[in-house]
Amino acid sequence: KAGVTQTPRYLIKTRGQQVTLSCSPISGHRSVSWYQQTPGQGLQFLFEYFSETQRNKGNFPGRFSGRQFSNSRSEMNVSTLELGDSALYLCASSPDSGRAYEQYFGPGTRLTVT
Amino acid sequence: AQSVTQLDSQVPVFEEAPVELRCNYSSSVSVYLFWYVQYPNQGLQLLLKYLSGSTLVESINGFEAEFNKSQTSFHLRKPSVHISDTAEYFCAVKASGGYNKLIFGAGTRLAVHP
Repeated sequence: KAGVTQTPRYLIKTRGQQVTLSCSPISGHRSVSWYQQTPGQGLQFLFEYFSETQRNKGNFPGRFSGRQFSNSRSEMNVSTLELGDSALYLCASSPDSGRAYEQYFGPGTRLTVT
Repeated sequence: AQSVTQLDSQVPVFEEAPVELRCNYSSSVSVYLFWYVQYPNQGLQLLLKYLSGSTLVESINGFEAEFNKSQTSFHLRKPSVHISDTAEYFCAVKASGGYNKLIFGAGTRLAVHP
């Protein structure tokens, strides 16, 4: 099976712009979670989607949003970018049952805000 | 709520020496425990996990971790490290009955020197 893929891998944006990141989960996985990784704050949970519904959310401002499509692909959007949004954004997918506790991570999208 | 503390931000060690990366957690509910590894410019890979049962868990590449409920610890060990083990290691917890939200420690950078 192909792993979790994320596009683009690298992105440079300017303050005030918005950005959309994409994640394709492992085939058959309906749960997709997003994490932000920064040197200062470490790895922080953003949100989780399952079957097109957000079922868990971390402590991030409303500028961070996401959605999931019927094919389980997910996007996250950050509006009005700030310098502090520069980070590696990781997506992870999980199987529905059996090993539902396991999360398989993609390579990440590195966002730089200038 | 859960929290994870990784007691060492950096651990330098010589090749073929043993190593221990320390992890303590706090939680008011039962949890699953994980160790993830991150190589440069890559996402996270699951190294090993503790769900229940035997408190000693092993990975295929020689790492092991021991769950200690009384000390709320989940330390990672390897009896003999290789240069290729150089990476960042993250300890994480997830509420056993909850959705897919991992709480990560700050990470420990393992540097193996020849």
